[in-house]
Amino acid sequence: SQQGEEDPQALSIQEGENATMNCSYKTSINNLQWYRQNSGRGLVHLILIRSNEREKHSGRLRVTLDTSKKSSSLLITASRAADTASYFCATDPTAGGTSYGKLTFGQGTILTVHP
Amino acid sequence: NAGVTQTPKFRVLKTGQSMTLLCAQDMNHEYMYWYRQDPGMGLRLIHYSVGEGTTAKGEVPDGYNVSRLKKQNFLLGLESAAPSQTSVYFCASSYEHLSSTNTEAFFGQGTRLTVV
Repeated sequence: SQQGEEDPQALSIQEGENATMNCSYKTSINNLQWYRQNSGRGLVHLILIRSNEREKHSGRLRVTLDTSKKSSSLLITASRAADTASYFCATDPTAGGTSYGKLTFGQGTILTVHP
Repeated sequence: NAGVTQTPKFRVLKTGQSMTLLCAQDMNHEYMYWYRQDPGMGLRLIHYSVGEGTTAKGEVPDGYNVSRLKKQNFLLGLESAAPSQTSVYFCASSYEHLSSTNTEAFFGQGTRLTVV
């Protein structure tokens, strides 16, 4: 079963608006990462947040992590048409503090930004 | 920088045929991964390797085999292709263990495989 679940599955906004995507996961983690995938391309790493961090910023990206709720959110501010892509959260599930060494992905959120 | 290169980019196989997908990275990464991506399923880990000469099973390993004879290459084999293996396959690599707090995975551009 998938470790991460993104919400919403699809999001359509106008250029200049903010886009918020959410991710929930099931097990304990060491870190959570967000990736972007343009149509027909490989995934590109956006940002990593550690399990002991609550918020992180990178340019127009803001990521939050709530380990008590096992959830994360990705906020893209002042969106652009070029932000149109699929966005995935990824976690490394752990058990008893030991990581499996795998990066497990959710199903993704398809973001469409209209000019 | 080439990064992670996958070959071939596209392939059509008949049921029962075999093939090998090649992944090559030039970043001296220890860890390498094979994922498949299907509509509505996200990415699922097939096999991974934590170093030259090592391999391990992921979430969906059945029907696939892998080898890591050289550090820079990670091969994914399909011995007898089935229509259920129609998918887009992605290879990824990372310098450190993915549970490390300062690592990221680099992905190839994908191989679109169709089994008829």
